[in-house]
Amino acid sequence: NAGVTQTPKFRVLKTGQSMTLLCAQDMNHEYMYWYRQDPGMGLRLIHYSVGEGTTAKGEVPDGYNVSRLKKQNFLLGLESAAPSQTSVYFCASSRGTGLIYGELFFGEGSRLTVL
Amino acid sequence: RKEVEQDPGPFNVPEGATVAFNCTYSNSASQSFFWYRQDCRKEPKLLMSVYSSGNEDGRFTAQLNRASQYISLLIRDSKLSDSATYLCVVNMRGAGGTSYGKLTFGQGTILTVHP
Repeated sequence: NAGVTQTPKFRVLKTGQSMTLLCAQDMNHEYMYWYRQDPGMGLRLIHYSVGEGTTAKGEVPDGYNVSRLKKQNFLLGLESAAPSQTSVYFCASSRGTGLIYGELFFGEGSRLTVL
Repeated sequence: RKEVEQDPGPFNVPEGATVAFNCTYSNSASQSFFWYRQDCRKEPKLLMSVYSSGNEDGRFTAQLNRASQYISLLIRDSKLSDSATYLCVVNMRGAGGTSYGKLTFGQGTILTVHP
């Protein structure tokens, strides 16, 4: 019963390197999200997807790209990592957005450090 | 102005106390509202959805005030295990009036319950 799985869970990058975070969900959810969490800032939405093949920008999309080629996967890419992108990244999915089906199911988080 | 705002606290209360948190949102067209709980270094988990008429789940009561654009969470008879960060979440339309799916978090309110 995996739910939402994020890989990798930890990563250290040098400034300018690129990487991709993978989020996979096995609940057949339509909606998927990438958030970053920094101390005192809460969770900030980076990008989200309302279905396979669609993506949309959240609050803090700059420096990130995403793709949703398959319904179960949502990839977050950092093209040229910067120290300001040091954070904990959470992926989440939901069946819908209303009160009944809008519950977000989160992965365990990915801790990224950019030196 | 942030789209979703919370008093970050921290709130330090004794066991048995009643404590209330508020969360304001800027978009009057917001569709649905939730409270999440996040334990230290863990992923957020749904505490309760917030219905228009208000709803209760044991010691927890959630209220929505659309006219003033805020939601509230009341915790009665606080337990040590209630110590956590409480996050409000608001579902809004994306840019350009796209479908709902932009789930935005407040920065969280830290609660510590002490003996």
